Amino acid sequence: EAQVTQNPRYLITVTGKKLTVTCSQNMNHEYMSWYRQDPGLGLRQIYYSMNVEVTDKGDVPEGYKVSRKEKRNFPLILESPSPNQTSLYFCASSLAGASSYEQYFGPGTRLTVT
Amino acid sequence: AQKVTQAQTEISVVEKEDVTLDCVYETRDTTYYLFWYKQPPSGELVFLIRRNSFDEQNEISGRYSWNFQKSTSSFNFTITASQVVDSAVYFCALSEAGAGNMLTFGGGTRLMVKP
Repeated sequence: EAQVTQNPRYLITVTGKKLTVTCSQNMNHEYMSWYRQDPGLGLRQIYYSMNVEVTDKGDVPEGYKVSRKEKRNFPLILESPSPNQTSLYFCASSLAGASSYEQYFGPGTRLTVT
Repeated sequence: AQKVTQAQTEISVVEKEDVTLDCVYETRDTTYYLFWYKQPPSGELVFLIRRNSFDEQNEISGRYSWNFQKSTSSFNFTITASQVVDSAVYFCALSEAGAGNMLTFGGGTRLMVKP
């Protein structure tokens, strides 16, 4: 089954404790992206990647890191999480760039930073 | 900079009513793409439609229809004869061809369809 998977689905952590949210897709998509969803703000793009070793900032990259060492994986790293990073996070992938193709979204990761 | 506005934060209708969700966008690019996504209560995001800036034809898919008007920078979504299963948050989104593959979402409209 074609899908985007994220782990963990739920995470409660404390301020400053490094964490990684994994994202993997099995569709051989070139483009992958991370979003955060907050009430009233819709989804805001954090980082995206056009292909292996190619990443770029979205609208809200502060406090986040990403890497794309393999085509299928695009982990999101929070080196020192803070409470304002409490949010619902979505990973997405598409065949090519965001303009041209619809994106397939993972199930979401709900992160709480206390 | 690209921007998407969904002025209706919540809409409540009774089943079988028609409902229109508004989407207004801002862009300086002449080539861009507009999207609608649905987020049901279960939380996943489901792609509904993509439209490029050169195609202003309206589209109908079953009970769903979309009205794209460049003159008013709007891409509205109408559900005819709404059903309880249509209850969800609906997002409109915009991607400019020259924006480095960034996708900008509106704030979303929560639609509640009551039986």
